Amino acid sequence: AQTVTQSQPEMSVQEAETVTLSCTYDTSESDYYLFWYKQPPSRQMILVIRQEAYKQQNATENRFSVNFQKAAKSFSLKISDSQLGDAAMYFCAYRSMYSGGGADGLTFGKGTHLIIQP
Amino acid sequence: KAGVTQTPRYLIKTRGQQVTLSCSPISGHRSVSWYQQTPGQGLQFLFEYFSETQRNKGNFPGRFSGRQFSNSRSEMNVSTLELGDSALYLCASSLGGQVGYEQYFGPGTRLTVT
Repeated sequence: AQTVTQSQPEMSVQEAETVTLSCTYDTSESDYYLFWYKQPPSRQMILVIRQEAYKQQNATENRFSVNFQKAAKSFSLKISDSQLGDAAMYFCAYRSMYSGGGADGLTFGKGTHLIIQP
Repeated sequence: KAGVTQTPRYLIKTRGQQVTLSCSPISGHRSVSWYQQTPGQGLQFLFEYFSETQRNKGNFPGRFSGRQFSNSRSEMNVSTLELGDSALYLCASSLGGQVGYEQYFGPGTRLTVT
């Protein structure tokens, strides 16, 4: 079974600065998807960024970018120019590319609580 | 487009009772997944439905069941409720087909079992 580990339960950053959230995962598969989701205090989970494992190029979405190291099984999220609205729980998630192989769906890490200091 | 809706938003039940939660996906989405979120266990996958068929199931006891209707709306049922079933239940919809499609989450149903 796949596991996702987020080693930082909480991170704090000054507004306008850059912060990196770490995520490692364990899998024996070669094809999969990785995601970062954001869950603000209102509880609605929102997709931040998505990476296909077969793509070497790191995904980028405006101020959000990832550092995907497939061999190291690492998938960190960098948030540039942090804004107050970025404050939330951030979850790293893994999904096998092959559906139906037993327990499936998204496998989430425990999350990192990101605090933005004004 | 309207987002994923879940009803009810809050629910209080007693041990031993059963409960049914409902999820309406985004229009055009054919896949619905359910997740349980608790402070201790985090987010855990319950099951996924695609075109009225259960495509995947997580490691939960048989008390947890679900179904999907022809209009893609989904329900999940928990029978013989236990205190440990208290959680936020999240529903997510996606276009379906390929598993890599983005999942759009609803606001959740907060279930409290007393």
